[in-house]
Amino acid sequence: DIQLTQSPSFLSASVGDRVTITCRASQGISSYLAWYQQKPGKAPKLLIYAASTLQSGVPSRFSGSGSGTEFTLTISSLQPEDFATYYCQQLNSYSYTFGQGTKLEIK
Amino acid sequence: EVQLLESGGGLVQPGGSLRLSCAASGFTFSSYAMSWVRQAPGKGLEWVSAISGSGGSTYYADSVKGRFTISRDNSKNTLYLQMNSLRAEDTAVYYCAKAPETYCSGGSCYLHYWGQGTLVTVSS
Repeated sequence: DIQLTQSPSFLSASVGDRVTITCRASQGISSYLAWYQQKPGKAPKLLIYAASTLQSGVPSRFSGSGSGTEFTLTISSLQPEDFATYYCQQLNSYSYTFGQGTKLEIK
Repeated sequence: EVQLLESGGGLVQPGGSLRLSCAASGFTFSSYAMSWVRQAPGKGLEWVSAISGSGGSTYYADSVKGRFTISRDNSKNTLYLQMNSLRAEDTAVYYCAKAPETYCSGGSCYLHYWGQGTLVTVSS
């Protein structure tokens, strides 16, 4: 199975900050990567698919990049509602593994 | 409006069985692949299983292969997960989720709509 490693696992930041989360795959997955946001007690929400395509309705401060084995999710200017846990998911081969998550907390 | 409503969770003893259901509405159910994803208490997301729109293709995580069976009834717009030989480590909230394509291939099995989840607790 393909393993995904997110870094950092925890991130403390302030409103207005620019933050970047990295997701590394154990083998190449082309651009078959999605990013999700999850808030406590809620279902995950799709942010980005195909590594860099913004899901409809998601604010443009979110962006994704990368291909092969290294991917990034960037939030250009943190808003209060962005404090949550973020997960990457590979869609290259079964099983469709998730990263371990990055918890973004308010500094 | 797409809606996914899971049911069937509850408390079950180790070694027991449970069947989860996910009632779908707001879209042409048979045209889209569906998945189950679970989340153990305080832990991250784990993809469990996926099924094509027709039901002819199914996929499983190694952790559940041979114990869980995904299926769908397109006449009832309902997705199922039959869980047998349950273990304590299967305790989790189980989400059903919709993919944007009929088949899971070429990176198309990302999940753009999710249900609210149903809790399965495996304990004696």
